Amino acid sequence: AQSVAQPEDQVNVAEGNPLTVKCTYSVSGNPYLFWYVQYPNRGLQFLLKYITGDNLVKGSYGFEAEFNKSQTSFHLKKPSALVSDSALYFCAVRDGLGFQKLVFGTGTRLLVSP
Amino acid sequence: GAGVSQSPSNKVTEKGKDVELRCDPISGHTALYWYRQSLGQGLEFLIYFQGNSAPDKSGLPSDRFSAERTGGSVSTLTIQRTQQEDSAVYLCASRPRASGTDTQYFGPGTRLTVL
Repeated sequence: AQSVAQPEDQVNVAEGNPLTVKCTYSVSGNPYLFWYVQYPNRGLQFLLKYITGDNLVKGSYGFEAEFNKSQTSFHLKKPSALVSDSALYFCAVRDGLGFQKLVFGTGTRLLVSP
Repeated sequence: GAGVSQSPSNKVTEKGKDVELRCDPISGHTALYWYRQSLGQGLEFLIYFQGNSAPDKSGLPSDRFSAERTGGSVSTLTIQRTQQEDSAVYLCASRPRASGTDTQYFGPGTRLTVL
């Protein structure tokens, strides 16, 4: 079965500094990977996805993610963090060729301090 | 355009009561998913609908849970004889098509509290 792991429960970063939220994956076949963000009392918002092609994927709100096949990782990055980026971030992998449910990681809380 | 909508946004019920949660997917989306987000289990898949095909119910945790999708659009998730462990946020998502690499778009969720 496909799975993703988010090794950090929380990441703390100062505003203006670069941020990285880690995700590793375990899949059979080609990985289809996603990042979602959840703000307090809100649903999940799509940030970006990797299907194929360039290993560096650019997404919403200035976020990007780097797909690394050798390290089976798909870390989320942003060059300069904003306080408003503080939220819960989920990495996910598509599971199944048919209906393609998403399998989520446990989530990483990002806290950006002023 | 309008996103996925869910109602109610919050639901408080007593143990043993039945509840219905509603999801309106994005217009034209043929695939619809229900997920549950709880403290102990994280985000977990519940059920999937695609067009007129039989739904995939492999994620439903017990036979107290059921869902239907009428006319290929609105979906209702029903939980019978609710238990305290059913307390969670129930998220609905839709996709344009069943296959391919389309993104799932999520609604704001329904927070269910079972007293």
